[in-house]
Order: sequence, then C-alpha cells, then structure tokens
Amino acid sequence: GESVGLHLPTLSVQEGDNSIINCAYSNSASDYFIWYKQESGKGPQFIIDIRSNMDKRQGQRVTVLLNKTVKHLSLQIAATQPGDSAVYFCAERAGNASKIIFGSGTRLSIQP
Amino acid sequence: DTEVTQTPKHLVMGMTNKKSLKCEQHMGHRAMYWYKQKAKKPPELMFVYSYEKLSINESVPSRFSPECPNSSLLNLHLHALQPEDSALYLCASSHSRQGRASGNTIYFGEGSWLTVV
Repeated sequence: GESVGLHLPTLSVQEGDNSIINCAYSNSASDYFIWYKQESGKGPQFIIDIRSNMDKRQGQRVTVLLNKTVKHLSLQIAATQPGDSAVYFCAERAGNASKIIFGSGTRLSIQP
Repeated sequence: DTEVTQTPKHLVMGMTNKKSLKCEQHMGHRAMYWYKQKAKKPPELMFVYSYEKLSINESVPSRFSPECPNSSLLNLHLHALQPEDSALYLCASSHSRQGRASGNTIYFGEGSWLTVV
C-alpha cells in the first residue's frame, strides 16, 4: 500500500504486505530528515533518519528514500505487522536551524 | 523505552492554578525541547534550550515559562492557562554542537497530558 501524507492521511494495508508512507517537504534548505512512529497515548518514537547527502538508508525492515529534486521523502516498511499500526510523522531540519519541524502525519492501519 | 522521563503523566488544572511539568534525561544531551501536540495533529515546537540557554521561543504565550536548571532537567511552568491549552506536552533531547542542536536525532519522552478546566 502507498499513501501521500497530505492527501491520504490513513493508509490501510494487509498484514505481511509492504507499506509505503510518503511525505512532501517544502524547504529546500532542509538537510536532515527523520521518521517517527507514534502509537496511541505515547510519545513519538525514532525509526530512522537520513541526511541530505544520501538518497537511501536502510534499517531493520525499514527503508527511507530521499528525493531532493522533488522534495519528497518516503518510508518503506517491509512485511508489515500488527505492531506497525501507528501514526507516522516525517520531520525535517533546515540547515542552520536548531529545530525539527513535523509533517502532518499518516495513520497506518493493518488488516489481518 | 524512552530515556527521556516526563512527570506527571496526567495533570488537570484550573485556569487560576500554577503548576509545572518536569522532564529529565541522562543521555548527556545538551539540547532540550518542549513540543505541544493536539489530538490528531503533529507536535509543534515551543522552546529549544541549548547548553542550558534558551535558543528558540516559537512565539509562545508568556503563560508558559520554560526553565532549564541544569543539563539534565527541563521544566515548563504553567500559569493562568486557558482550556485551549489542553494538549499533550512532549519533552525531547538531542546532542548539541557549537551551541546549537546538531543534525542528531531528537528523542522524545512519553509526554504529559494536560487538561485545563
């Protein structure tokens, strides 16, 4: 399943399928990006990050892709599990700023 | 489990009360943050401290007063709040370099749920 965060805030996928969550950013000066997972009633949990001098980074079952040309970031989750159900936020930092700004988020719902 | 600890987990206060939210981290981070999160919305930055000095205030009303007593602690003092201030308040920390938060990721606590009545 695939989503565009701003236009499809909820993504529903079958258990075991791969999930792709998308994020568009507007600040071309942003040089550092993070994906967070937030489960109900909890704080955001770090998943994976990527710097602007890279276009791909892999973690355990997750991959982040960065396309600076079109200012697009995606999070791929392999073999989605029930425990992956959460809201996923992308976040960015502009080059000289000390602050991390969050995108609007996408809710991932896993169907059995 | 997060290494950023926030207390209390839940707080209900009246509009005339004075209360404080507390945050503690022992990861050696020198940048600490307060974010506010309303339901179904992303966290919004309020304040950034770097090396115990306030470096960013995102035009937050003065009824919210941050304090960083030392490198491990961050407080948010609350006074004369409004019902619309009810939200989840998140504390976070990260490494800091040369007096500003670096490109290292920020780690969040579980938050303090605040209800203003």
